Amino acid sequence: EDKVVQSPLSLVVHEGDTVTLNCSYEVTNFRSLLWYKQEKKAPTFLFMLTSSGIEKKSGRLSSILDKKELFSILNITATQTGDSAVYLCAVEPWTAGGGADGLTFGKGTHLIIQP
Amino acid sequence: DSGVTQTPKHLITATGQRVTLRCSPRSGDLSVYWYQQSLDQGLQFLIQYYNGEERAKGNILERFSAQQFPDLHSELNLSSLELGDSALYFCASSQGAGTGELFFGEGSRLTVL
Repeated sequence: EDKVVQSPLSLVVHEGDTVTLNCSYEVTNFRSLLWYKQEKKAPTFLFMLTSSGIEKKSGRLSSILDKKELFSILNITATQTGDSAVYLCAVEPWTAGGGADGLTFGKGTHLIIQP
Repeated sequence: DSGVTQTPKHLITATGQRVTLRCSPRSGDLSVYWYQQSLDQGLQFLIQYYNGEERAKGNILERFSAQQFPDLHSELNLSSLELGDSALYFCASSQGAGTGELFFGEGSRLTVL
């Protein structure tokens, strides 16, 4: 069974700090790892990583994947109060038929940015 | 706004009842996914449809069923409801059969009393 473990489960920092969120996974037939941000309701897509060692960046957010050690990190620099959210990591396997299967999500890291 | 529409937003019902949740995907998206989010289990994949056909199945109970119609909207039917079915049910859509970037609706909050 596919498994995703995120740490820490919650984190409180001050505005301007840099944070690193961790995601380790076990998946049969890895296809991709994805990060989502969930503020109030709907998760919104941040990154999809398929190759090891290649950093994806979007503004102050960046993420990298290590397929050998089976983990990924999400970095947020110069945090702002608007970054407060639950950050979800998910893995996507290949199916036996060659298509993709549903995502397996971790329980998320609840990040609180204090002014 | 993701472009995915879910109705109803909130639903309160009693144990043993049956409810139907509805989802309209983003324009042009052929895949629809259903996820259940509860405090203890997190986001759990239930089922995926692609262009009207069931594509992948996750931890969906036998009491639950879904379908995708020719106009690509989807319905999730939950029957013989139990207290433990209380959760936020999300629909998501994507363009192709693979997942990758999913666009989630705002969810339907189901409370079973």
